[in-house]
Amino acid sequence: SQQGEEDPQALSIQEGENATMNCSYKTSINNLQWYRQNSGRGLVHLILIRSNEREKHSGRLRVTLDTSKKSSSLLITASRAADTASYFCATVGSRGSYIPTFGRGTSLIVHP
Amino acid sequence: DGGITQSPKYLFRKEGQNVTLSCEQNLNHDAMYWYRQDPGQGLRLIYYSQIVNDFQKGDIAEGYSVSREKKESFPLTVTSAQKNPTAFYLCASSSTGGAYEQYFGPGTRLTVT
Repeated sequence: SQQGEEDPQALSIQEGENATMNCSYKTSINNLQWYRQNSGRGLVHLILIRSNEREKHSGRLRVTLDTSKKSSSLLITASRAADTASYFCATVGSRGSYIPTFGRGTSLIVHP
Repeated sequence: DGGITQSPKYLFRKEGQNVTLSCEQNLNHDAMYWYRQDPGQGLRLIYYSQIVNDFQKGDIAEGYSVSREKKESFPLTVTSAQKNPTAFYLCASSSTGGAYEQYFGPGTRLTVT
């Protein structure tokens, strides 16, 4: 089944720096979603970007989508210690099932 | 408050016992899902249901069973046939009829010894 693959697997930065995570996928999509998971908790939806969109913003989050390269990026600007979490991309295929397929995630640590 | 709940948060069982994990939502969502998450891994789909009294196998359904008798509830039974049941189990729900985001419960950590 189709799966997004996040890169890097782990990222460690200082508070105030920007954090960029990437997601690559293999087949055409209807949309791509980013989720956040704090340790031991459920996932929280951050942003959904549709295949005909190129960029979306939500607060300090910026998501881009390049369907020609089959890739997406999540940028967190001016990061805070509270942004420490795992971030997952999930792809929804353009045909058939609307169920998202999740990647393995990027573990982000923001040092105060 | 609208949301999705899972209970219990932690569950311990002996090998050979079946165990049922609870998932309830009051978001009026038609679709509900069960995922399994192992350390350092993504989420793997166990079962999903898009309507009451109907459910479909996901990628790793072997050793699990579900029921969907009510819109609000989607319990998951981990049977003794599941070879490696120790994991973090996540329930989610969403609207149907298009590609929508999922809402997740807080998860149940199951340990089988």
